[in-house]
Amino acid sequence: DAGVTQSPTHLIKTRGQQVTLRCSPKSGHDTVSWYQQALGQGPQFIFQYYEEEERQRGNFPDRFSGHQFPNYSSELNVNALLLGDSALYLCASSYPTGSEAFFGQGTRLTVV
Amino acid sequence: DQQVKQNSPSLSVQEGRISILNCDYTNSMFDYFLWYKKYPAEGPTFLISISSIKDKNEDGRFTVFLNKSAKHLSLHIVPSQPGDSAVYFCAASAHNQGGKLIFGQGTELSVKP
Repeated sequence: DAGVTQSPTHLIKTRGQQVTLRCSPKSGHDTVSWYQQALGQGPQFIFQYYEEEERQRGNFPDRFSGHQFPNYSSELNVNALLLGDSALYLCASSYPTGSEAFFGQGTRLTVV
Repeated sequence: DQQVKQNSPSLSVQEGRISILNCDYTNSMFDYFLWYKKYPAEGPTFLISISSIKDKNEDGRFTVFLNKSAKHLSLHIVPSQPGDSAVYFCAASAHNQGGKLIFGQGTELSVKP
């Protein structure tokens, strides 16, 4: 079982650029959530996808968008990058009823 | 508005002793609580959870206690081992929120040999 996999592991972007992060869920999971973890803080919920639809959204601007594919994998897109978007981006997968979420290793995004 | 709080940023414990990590929450709609452990350069790993219908859940060396009236939960690790050194996050969810997790800020546990 491959678990949750994310790519890339590290990324450096320039302010104003756009970035796409990718996530493959754990086998058997069909719900994918994205979290942003700033340094010294706990993960913050960005949004959740189920059946290719955004089911819930946290307090993040529209610059953050996502997509889920028929194979349940997901992308997180961030437009017009700001320095403050520098963080660890975590993908988590689960069954739609919630319970435990399993996390990937994260993508470390640095905006310069 | 920090709905889940871990007020101790760090904790140092001697190997073999008990580690107690605390977490407080404010939202009475939360009905499921989880603890995650995170090593540097890795994603959080699920450790143990508890439903609001229980007040205790045990799994090996790990026990979580829930006090609903105080809106407080704690994670006990007995005996503590050096490999337990990591950042521990408390998280909460509400059944009507479809699995959205609200995390605390984390407590860094250091277990010294």
